[in-house]
Amino acid sequence: QITLKESGPTLVKPTQTLTLTCTFSGFSLSTSGVGVGWIRQPPGKALEWLALIYWNDDKRYSPSLKSRLTITKDTSKNQVVLTMTNMDPVDTATYYCAHGVLRYFVLDVWGQGTTVTVSS
Amino acid sequence: QSALTQPASVSGSPGQSITISCTGTSSDVGGYNYVSWYQQHPGKAPKLMIYDVSNRPSGVSNRFSGSKSGNTASLTISGLQAEDEADYYCSSYTSSSTLHWVFGGGTKLTVL
Repeated sequence: QITLKESGPTLVKPTQTLTLTCTFSGFSLSTSGVGVGWIRQPPGKALEWLALIYWNDDKRYSPSLKSRLTITKDTSKNQVVLTMTNMDPVDTATYYCAHGVLRYFVLDVWGQGTTVTVSS
Repeated sequence: QSALTQPASVSGSPGQSITISCTGTSSDVGGYNYVSWYQQHPGKAPKLMIYDVSNRPSGVSNRFSGSKSGNTASLTISGLQAEDEADYYCSSYTSSSTLHWVFGGGTKLTVL
């Protein structure tokens, strides 16, 4: 059974750097065709892609946020870490990580999400 | 990276069928069969309902079906039930972005 869980601060100040960790079980991020993605959802708004890292360490970023994002993986710890710099109140959202299957370009299992508020 | 276009809202009565459209371009929906659909209830994480245009993951009701014609994909829900009230998002592979993944703007389904 695949599970993912997001963790990180619930409140960050403007200009600070956000670091979120996705801890997963039930799969290995060294398995071919597997990825872990980060998606966010501002209150009342649509899902928005942030970044994804594949089993082979290929990293993909949202073009509009690329300059602010870094995604890394620690295969031994079953974790994927996302950092986002220069946080702004518009970055207030629920942040999700999800298990991706490259064969189908699908996110088949999602974490419960973690809510991040950006405020001074 | 432009989102795929979905209607903001659709509605239907219990027992009826509804269809949600997802319009893209030849660089995404029209060019590949990597269209998926997600259901999201308020305060919950999205759940995969359809992948590869028309395939259902194990455990998803056969009342949910998907199709595609040209640059538009569709999700049809038959025999509407109150529990189907939720937001629905389409997603596709896209060759027009280095990210390769794109979501639709979401559709709010109301069961009257």
